[in-house]
Amino acid sequence: GAVVSQHPSWVICKSGTSVKIECRSLDFQATTMFWYRQFPKQSLMLMATSNEGSKATYEQGVEKDKFLINHASLTLSTLTVTSAHPEDSSFYICSANPTVNTEAFFGQGTRLTVV
Amino acid sequence: GQNIDQPTEMTATEGAIVQINCTYQTSGFNGLFWYQQHAGEAPTFLSYNVLDGLEEKGRFSSFLSRSKGYSYLLLKELQMKDSASYLCAVRDGGSYIPTFGRGTSLIVHP
Repeated sequence: GAVVSQHPSWVICKSGTSVKIECRSLDFQATTMFWYRQFPKQSLMLMATSNEGSKATYEQGVEKDKFLINHASLTLSTLTVTSAHPEDSSFYICSANPTVNTEAFFGQGTRLTVV
Repeated sequence: GQNIDQPTEMTATEGAIVQINCTYQTSGFNGLFWYQQHAGEAPTFLSYNVLDGLEEKGRFSSFLSRSKGYSYLLLKELQMKDSASYLCAVRDGGSYIPTFGRGTSLIVHP
């Protein structure tokens, strides 16, 4: 199957700082990638759709100025959590599809803890 | 919008069979996925159903009834490593982005 790599696996940061999370498709090109957030024992909630070469599409209720998404190449999307607060602590996961009708392949996820 | 419902938690015995149900309500339908997710890890793909019927893949099978808005994941010969959360995800008509259910936490005990 396709491989999606996410880095870092976990990060601890202080309140008010920013954290960048990278998502790479290793063996296919992805014009679109997806960012999810998952709280303990909750579902995967789609935050935004990252589009190569254009602006990301954010889901309702997700602050685009707080969660900055950049999709500069066909294999890399980044999510930057700006001015992080403890309530931003969560598990962030990216995914991509090699083709539209295939299943999504997920990165390893990033456990963010804001102290 | 979509409404996806699956049980929160199930327990089963090693070696047994367990069926995890998923019901959904969507505007149109464009496929249903099952994923396995171990604690602290990303989901891994198990199965995909777009037509009615049963898809079998080793110890795992998935069934779909579009008219009933219903699917189940069947796990046979349960192993301890099958303890995980099982996510049902549905794509509605005109979209290839799936919406995920809350997941069913399966606990397999000896």
